[in-house]
Amino acid sequence: AQSVTQLDSQVPVFEEAPVELRCNYSSSVSVYLFWYVQYPNQGLQLLLKYLSGSTLVESINGFEAEFNKSQTSFHLRKPSVHISDTAEYFCAVSDPTDSSYKLIFGSGTRLLVRP
Amino acid sequence: GAVVSQHPSRVICKSGTSVKIECRSLDFQATTMFWYRQFPKQSLMLMATSNEGSKATYEQGVEKDKFLINHASLTLSTLTVTSAHPEDSSFYICSALKTGLVSGELFFGEGSRLTVL
Repeated sequence: AQSVTQLDSQVPVFEEAPVELRCNYSSSVSVYLFWYVQYPNQGLQLLLKYLSGSTLVESINGFEAEFNKSQTSFHLRKPSVHISDTAEYFCAVSDPTDSSYKLIFGSGTRLLVRP
Repeated sequence: GAVVSQHPSRVICKSGTSVKIECRSLDFQATTMFWYRQFPKQSLMLMATSNEGSKATYEQGVEKDKFLINHASLTLSTLTVTSAHPEDSSFYICSALKTGLVSGELFFGEGSRLTVL
């Protein structure tokens, strides 16, 4: 069964600093990968996704993630963070061959941006 | 965009009562919806998969008689917490799979916070 590991439970950074949130998944022939963001007391919003094609995917608000098959990783990065980026970030994986479309979530990483 | 709405967003009830939470896909049809439970500062735990017109598929360890799921239409799934107890207090989130979308992307509701006194 698929699993997702987010090693960092919390990442504190200063505003305008770069950040990387790590995500590793268990090996599989093929995967769909997602990053979701959750603001306090809200549901999840899709940040970006990898389905196929280019291994580097970008979001509209400056985040990017790179699918690395050899390292089974999908780390999320942003070159310069804002206070408003403070939130919980979840990495998730699904199996394209699984018709149930279940998403398996990592434990989450809390990004805390300080002024 | 694809919008999923949950209602109520917050509910407080007495122990022993039942609470119903609705999950609606507002601008698309969803043959499959998912219900998650999230404890404070933890990840989402999949409770069950809700399929329109058929019985829900529950994950291991989730009590079917405790958490009743109904998916009567292509835009509505409901979760009923029966005989709620304080340990059922949690944040419940639904997600919907857009019919015909093959990417597997899910659209999430805003969540419903249940507090059982």
